Amino acid sequence: SQTIHQWPATLVQPVGSPLSLECTVEGTSNPNLYWYRQAAGRGLQLLFYSVGIGQISSEVPQNLSASRPQDRQFILSSKKLLLSDSGFYLCAWSVGTANYGYTFGSGTRLTVV
Amino acid sequence: SQQGEEDPQALSIQEGENATMNCSYKTSINNLQWYRQNSGRGLVHLILIRSNEREKHSGRLRVTLDTSKKSSSLLITASRAADTASYFCATDGYSSASKIIFGSGTRLSIRP
Repeated sequence: SQTIHQWPATLVQPVGSPLSLECTVEGTSNPNLYWYRQAAGRGLQLLFYSVGIGQISSEVPQNLSASRPQDRQFILSSKKLLLSDSGFYLCAWSVGTANYGYTFGSGTRLTVV
Repeated sequence: SQQGEEDPQALSIQEGENATMNCSYKTSINNLQWYRQNSGRGLVHLILIRSNEREKHSGRLRVTLDTSKKSSSLLITASRAADTASYFCATDGYSSASKIIFGSGTRLSIRP
């Protein structure tokens, strides 16, 4: 069966420190992969999406970057975290287009202090 | 960019009552989706309705879509305490079906 793993569940990082969040998908090939951020009590903001290895589309200029080194691995990174990077980060995947809905990971709550 | 906007932002009803949430969007779409999010968790896909469909049912969920008004509604019948969650609509872009954009959500509280 298809599953998505996202870790860690919570993370507290000091300002200026680097960040690496990893997301992996099992049970499917060539998925579309997505990173979203959700501020407290708000909707989801699309940060990056990828339709294949090495293909990254950035939606919002920011302090973050994404990479897809393998077909089912999607990584969200930052060289130096800002306080404004705090939030709930969600990874998701879909097959081809979004016509069958997204499957989300359980999320990572990042607090930058 | 297109975006779904839910209405109301928050809704509190008695258990057993029906809950209706609305979503409006701006541009043409291929499909519209509804998701549920329990507090501090990931989103769960509930139902997808295509642009050529007007109504869809799944268990206690009923979704309608009016493309002329660029709006959709989600009806939860016979609400239960477990339905307490935030509900989001999401739309794709007609020319960019690889990604979907989420609205800001409706927080639904079911009173016992």
